[in-house]
Amino acid sequence: QQQVKQSPQSLIVQKGGISIINCAYENTAFDYFPWYQQFPGKGPALLIAIRPDVSEKKEGRFTISFNKSAKQFSLHIMDSQPGDSATYFCAASRGITAGNKLTFGGGTRVLVKP
Amino acid sequence: TAGITQAPTSQILAAGRSMTLRCTQDMRHNAMYWYRQDLGLGLRLIHYSNTAGTTGKGEVPDGYSVSRANTDDFPLTLASAVPSQTSVYFCASSASFTFNEQFFGPGTRLTVL
Repeated sequence: QQQVKQSPQSLIVQKGGISIINCAYENTAFDYFPWYQQFPGKGPALLIAIRPDVSEKKEGRFTISFNKSAKQFSLHIMDSQPGDSATYFCAASRGITAGNKLTFGGGTRVLVKP
Repeated sequence: TAGITQAPTSQILAAGRSMTLRCTQDMRHNAMYWYRQDLGLGLRLIHYSNTAGTTGKGEVPDGYSVSRANTDDFPLTLASAVPSQTSVYFCASSASFTFNEQFFGPGTRLTVL
């Protein structure tokens, strides 16, 4: 049973377009929601993270939207660039109560066409 | 600064054999983690360590063991490998066990035949 469900599995977007990746979680005790970016042959790297006390967080072209009542959060990549082509993982953890043990979604492979 | 190093980069292992995947970090981080990555399943936590001398079980610990004798090293051992342990293994670390960013190593690709 996957506690964090991610969609779509893959995504193709034109350069300059918007990439949107969605995640849904079941455990209401989750209180930290990071997104990781992974390039082929590399380990994942933290891209952006949000706590449930805010509904949106923006860092450059990357924005997380968070809907606590729906238990959903999403990543928006604005003005997508070929260099954004990577696999993106959402994750969640219970923070202080259970430590930084991350539960990951299944991943979304994003391809940005020039 | 190297960050996290993992060895070997890749390995083919016969079923039933034992193997230790090595992980070393030079960031003096207290917490370390081992994940396996399988297509469509994302990364799943195998074992973790809050600090040197302590370890804990993650989501998929069966068939794996870890030790944390010091701050820098966190080896993962497969006592008797099975084909279902074919995966890419990532070691990660964070400054502490609460909220902090996890830094990942480059991974070890393991094939068990």
